[in-house]
Amino acid sequence: GAGVSQSPSNKVTEKGKDVELRCDPISGHTALYWYRQRLGQGLEFLIYFQGNSAPDKSGLPSDRFSAERTGESVSTLTIQRTQQEDSAVYLCASSSLYGQPQHFGDGTRLSIL
Amino acid sequence: DQQVKQNSPSLSVQEGRISILNCDYTNSMFDYFLWYKKYPAEGPTFLISISSIKDKNEDGRFTVFLNKSAKHLSLHIVPSQPGDSAVYFCAASANSGAGSYQLTFGKGTKLSVIP
Repeated sequence: GAGVSQSPSNKVTEKGKDVELRCDPISGHTALYWYRQRLGQGLEFLIYFQGNSAPDKSGLPSDRFSAERTGESVSTLTIQRTQQEDSAVYLCASSSLYGQPQHFGDGTRLSIL
Repeated sequence: DQQVKQNSPSLSVQEGRISILNCDYTNSMFDYFLWYKKYPAEGPTFLISISSIKDKNEDGRFTVFLNKSAKHLSLHIVPSQPGDSAVYFCAASANSGAGSYQLTFGKGTKLSVIP
């Protein structure tokens, strides 16, 4: 597709369950970012992938959060043992080698009951 | 601590008038600034950007001004149109040296353009 694609668009799950979110970046974009936006807040950086380099995980809030990316394609963000404070919109963005601008998907709205 | 601040949560402007959205930052390492526009249930859409070596960048109805000494930037929309009604996010990045151009975002300003 032409833009960044994320799935699912909405996810409702019970506290304590694991969730997996998916991101398909724009074709040819080497950089991929995950952000989250909690209610009434700005976007918070989570993790960054660039090609085969080691990812920048400095924004991950706890060890329950992890992400993978295969080459320059799809990425998955996994949240284990979800907590209510994990409820947010999780946004993925991709960009060319030179970093900007980042182009965002429509996000996954995660609700933890 | 909030490194990028948008102190006005909302702004209302008459159609045809100028909209001015403001943003302040505290991190002097930021060297690239962007504005994104966001509609409900959609991801942010890139609008316009400016490098720290410039003080102005213009694209059609949108102009971004950067005042490095004041650590302040603003987005001007003229003339404002009802379709401009959205939440506008200011974002900034610093070249970390490791190549991670992560963005730091403000909390957004909701612009309402009244017909």
